Amino acid sequence: KNEVEQSPQNLTAQEGEFITINCSYSVGISALHWLQQHPGGGIVSLFMLSSGKKKHGRLIATINIQEKHSSLHITASHPRDSAVYICAVMSFGNEKLTFGTGTRLTIIP
Amino acid sequence: NAGVTQTPKFRVLKTGQSMTLLCAQDMNHEYMYWYRQDPGMGLRLIHYSVGEGTTAKGEVPDGYNVSRLKKQNFLLGLESAAPSQTSVYFCASTSQGGTFGSGTRLTVV
Repeated sequence: KNEVEQSPQNLTAQEGEFITINCSYSVGISALHWLQQHPGGGIVSLFMLSSGKKKHGRLIATINIQEKHSSLHITASHPRDSAVYICAVMSFGNEKLTFGTGTRLTIIP
Repeated sequence: NAGVTQTPKFRVLKTGQSMTLLCAQDMNHEYMYWYRQDPGMGLRLIHYSVGEGTTAKGEVPDGYNVSRLKKQNFLLGLESAAPSQTSVYFCASTSQGGTFGSGTRLTVV
């Protein structure tokens, strides 16, 4: 079992829909990251979380430390949100990130 | 991806040639990482560094060497390139997570 599990693996939605991507992990963590990668593009760090909730524009990230779960929400989705979204965690005492397998999001106009 | 600069962005090498990829960050981060990304494989850690003068092996270190002579720079070297090293290489730096460079697309023919 991977230390970091993401769901769904693939998600297709209509423009304007509310999107939720989930990330569950099995170890104690010092931080969790949500990353975005457009096709053929670089990797952008969207959020770093250690507790609670963060919001940036139409993106919201939440984390529940007790349940070892995080969600990334996109409100009023747009075709430019089409990308792979990756959850990554840094566990206590570990200097390295562990990555989820990614969620491929496609927003249809 | 302000703060982490990778050079070059593209390179084609012949088998057996050598090259060095440069990663530079201006955020005074202690930790720096080199990853490779292959289709269907996600990000795999090659080498990392937790501070100036230190390096450590990641998941897939064979065929690569690294150096961290200055805190702001992390160099990835290929001494004798092989076609299996055709990949997209990402550098990241962090105090507790990830700011990624824009990637280097390397093709070994």
